[in-house]
Amino acid sequence: GQSLEQPSEVTAVEGAIVQINCTYQTSGFYGLSWYQQHDGGAPTFLSYNALDGLEETGRFSSFLSRSDSYGYLLLQELQMKDSASYFCAAPDSSYKLIFGSGTRLLVRP
Amino acid sequence: IAGITQAPTSQILAAGRRMTLRCTQDMRHNAMYWYRQDLGLGLRLIHYSNTAGTTGKGEVPDGYSVSRANTDDFPLTLASAVPSQTSVYFCASSGQKGHTQYFGPGTRLTVL
Repeated sequence: GQSLEQPSEVTAVEGAIVQINCTYQTSGFYGLSWYQQHDGGAPTFLSYNALDGLEETGRFSSFLSRSDSYGYLLLQELQMKDSASYFCAAPDSSYKLIFGSGTRLLVRP
Repeated sequence: IAGITQAPTSQILAAGRRMTLRCTQDMRHNAMYWYRQDLGLGLRLIHYSNTAGTTGKGEVPDGYSVSRANTDDFPLTLASAVPSQTSVYFCASSGQKGHTQYFGPGTRLTVL
């Protein structure tokens, strides 16, 4: 089976940098995805790491360490609009995504 | 391009009633999924379909059924709704890379 653990809530100040961690336990591993969901909205895809290292997309970066079964999402130059829930997710052997329970990010002025 | 549409947007349903949630995508994606998301929680997979004509069970399939007659449509049916099925339901689709899924706007269902 698979499980993904992430903190339930993180608070940060506008303009700061925040890191949202995700640890996983999987019977096989095929990569780690990140999704963003604003309150009342649908999840939207942010990034995917198949290999170890850092993937950068604008203000957002995602990191993966397969040896540590660990990844994180890094958000830089935080803006109020970044307040949302962030989910890590990993595909199982048939490419169905298993989601973590989500981290609620609150950005304060 | 609409992406994925879901209907209805919201629904209040009496327990014991039958309900079908509709999902249509115009991206020609092979794979489609139904998730439920309970308040403050993550997404749990109900059923999925890797291609038209095939379906599979996810993590929480009991009380739900799906069909995939064609590539575009993937309806979810609650045969006899119960209050524990009160949730927000998201339909999603993906192409070859299952890790990148595109979600519909969701259906908020309340079963009384």
